[in-house]
Amino acid sequence: EVQLVESGGGLVQPGGSLRVSCAASGFTVSSTYMNWVRQAPGKGLEWVSVMYTGGSTDYADSVKGRFTISRDDSQNTVYLQMNSLRPEDTAIYYCARDRPCGYWGQGTLVTVSS
Amino acid sequence: EIVLTQSPDFQSVTPKEKVTITCRASQSIGTSLHWYQQKPDQSPKLLIKYASQSFSGVPSRFSGSGSGTEFTLTINSLEAEDVATYYCHQTIDLPWTFGQGTKVEIK
Repeated sequence: EVQLVESGGGLVQPGGSLRVSCAASGFTVSSTYMNWVRQAPGKGLEWVSVMYTGGSTDYADSVKGRFTISRDDSQNTVYLQMNSLRPEDTAIYYCARDRPCGYWGQGTLVTVSS
Repeated sequence: EIVLTQSPDFQSVTPKEKVTITCRASQSIGTSLHWYQQKPDQSPKLLIKYASQSFSGVPSRFSGSGSGTEFTLTINSLEAEDVATYYCHQTIDLPWTFGQGTKVEIK
């Protein structure tokens, strides 16, 4: 059974950093596209980043240069390192598998506030 | 960036009524258009991929159609459990984008 479990969310001050994780089971993260998608409170969905099977990556313009997606094949886990955080980055961060996103985690809430 | 515009933003329907949601793309995207359902306080779920292909386990009352710039999600005979917000999503061109969502409620 495919499972995705996010963790690492929390409260961080503007300008701060946070790393969220997505632990996968039932498949290997290196075998498929892995995405991060976020949802600000009461708002719609926004695609953030993707890691392709070969390890290359892409980002939304809103996070390019600040966020980095990575994966640890030994832990079967995907990460999103978020630096220079802004209040507008406040959102639930979901990891999702494939293109299109056929499997989603439950999300982890990141709040950027002083 | 490809902009996806859904209509309507909100729809209130009676049980067993047919629901139609439209998604228009700002440029042609072939059939690289997908539909998700997000129930309150839950993660999104994929319903339809590549315009008309049902995802595994999705009830047959959900169907999709369209190509190019205009797409439709149809819910035949709405059930109470279908109360949710529905999103379209394109993956033909980066950045991958979503529509603004259509909220469906029971009248």
